[in-house]
Amino acid sequence: DQQVKQNSPSLSVQEGRISILNCDYTNSMFDYFLWYKKYPAEGPTFLISISSIKDKNEDGRFTVFLNKSAKHLSLHIVPSQPGDSAVYFCAASALNSGGGADGLTFGKGTHLIIQP
Amino acid sequence: DTAVSQTPKYLVTQMGNDKSIKCEQNLGHDTMYWYKQDSKKFLKIMFSYNNKELIINETVPNRFSPKSPDKAHLNLHINSLELGDSAVYFCASSQTGITTDGYTFGSGTRLTVV
Repeated sequence: DQQVKQNSPSLSVQEGRISILNCDYTNSMFDYFLWYKKYPAEGPTFLISISSIKDKNEDGRFTVFLNKSAKHLSLHIVPSQPGDSAVYFCAASALNSGGGADGLTFGKGTHLIIQP
Repeated sequence: DTAVSQTPKYLVTQMGNDKSIKCEQNLGHDTMYWYKQDSKKFLKIMFSYNNKELIINETVPNRFSPKSPDKAHLNLHINSLELGDSAVYFCASSQTGITTDGYTFGSGTRLTVV
């Protein structure tokens, strides 16, 4: 039973345009959400997070939006750059902490390809 | 200076063997984890250790056993390896109560059982 879903296995975006990656979750106990970026043969690296008490968090070119009523979050990257080409994982936590000992539940990932 | 390091990076072994994967973190975090990424690319938690205590064990076969000699290390021992154990195993660490940075992952160990 997938509690965190990323329904797009891949996404292709032109350089300079906006990339929008989507994530849906089913567990209403989740209260902290994170995005990770992963290059081949490397571990996931933390990108940006959002607490359930907020609906938006911005860090440079990256913005995460949370719609709790729809149990949906999205990551916006603008403008998209070639170095953004990677797999992006959405993750969620139910412990009111992004680093809680209860672990993170991950989606399956979306492969973002930035076209020159 | 690598924050979370795991060795080996690649491991090829025969069915039935026993193997270990080592993990060390130099971030001073109090919790360490093992995650498995299977062929379908799902990242699923296997274990976490907080202050040398096992916190969760997500229905992992008892052939898998985590060993934590101290707060900075969490090794993974696997007995009687099976073909289905082939996957990429990621070690990670975090500091309980710090919400901004999530986990720090190692670069992964690709285990292939033949």
